[in-house]
Amino acid sequence: DAKTTQPPSMDCAEGRAANLPCNHSTISGNEYVYWYRQIHSQGPQYIIHGLKNNETNEMASLIITEDRKSSTLILPHATLRDTAVYYCIVRVEGNAGNMLTFGGGTRLMVKP
Amino acid sequence: KAGVTQTPRYLIKTRGQQVTLSCSPISGHRSVSWYQQTPGQGLQFLFEYFSETQRNKGNFPGRFSGRQFSNSRSEMNVSTLELGDSALYLCASSYRVGSGELFFGEGSRLTVL
Repeated sequence: DAKTTQPPSMDCAEGRAANLPCNHSTISGNEYVYWYRQIHSQGPQYIIHGLKNNETNEMASLIITEDRKSSTLILPHATLRDTAVYYCIVRVEGNAGNMLTFGGGTRLMVKP
Repeated sequence: KAGVTQTPRYLIKTRGQQVTLSCSPISGHRSVSWYQQTPGQGLQFLFEYFSETQRNKGNFPGRFSGRQFSNSRSEMNVSTLELGDSALYLCASSYRVGSGELFFGEGSRLTVL
């Protein structure tokens, strides 16, 4: 799986959009971008994933650049409960299994 | 629908002992994987099971083992515990193999004294 690079920490004001970047410059054509988050003392939570098109669900939006070398997770109206570590993961889908390779992630602090 | 259930949530053992952790996946999920989380190494993949067969194994010593039962419930065992085995052990389930969309439990926090 391709390596990802994320800033170690970010702050965001409550109610504002949180934009979390991820660099995956070595991504290959069959690798998807996944985002998870982990709130303190809980298990990671799946947020969203995509291949090349932008994706949106009830939690967030995922913007993938046209060359697929980077992506941004957008939390449109961050709340205090969004304070967590956010992980960007790149992986191949299919029979390779369900293994996820977690990096260091970005610690997002939402402030009032 | 109930989530992934892990037991026990907290436990304390001493060096040299062994420990068994249990995971009940979401109903209908047949794939179960295990992860270890420590402050120093972060989240690391241990192993993955599907239909009672181990499909993948991470880079951990043989002291770490697991199994899956016919009802998809899984257990992992760590023998001859070392201080460095102190960690949060997380179980995740998925409805199919090859999916990156995993559902994690809240983990079992093991402290080795």
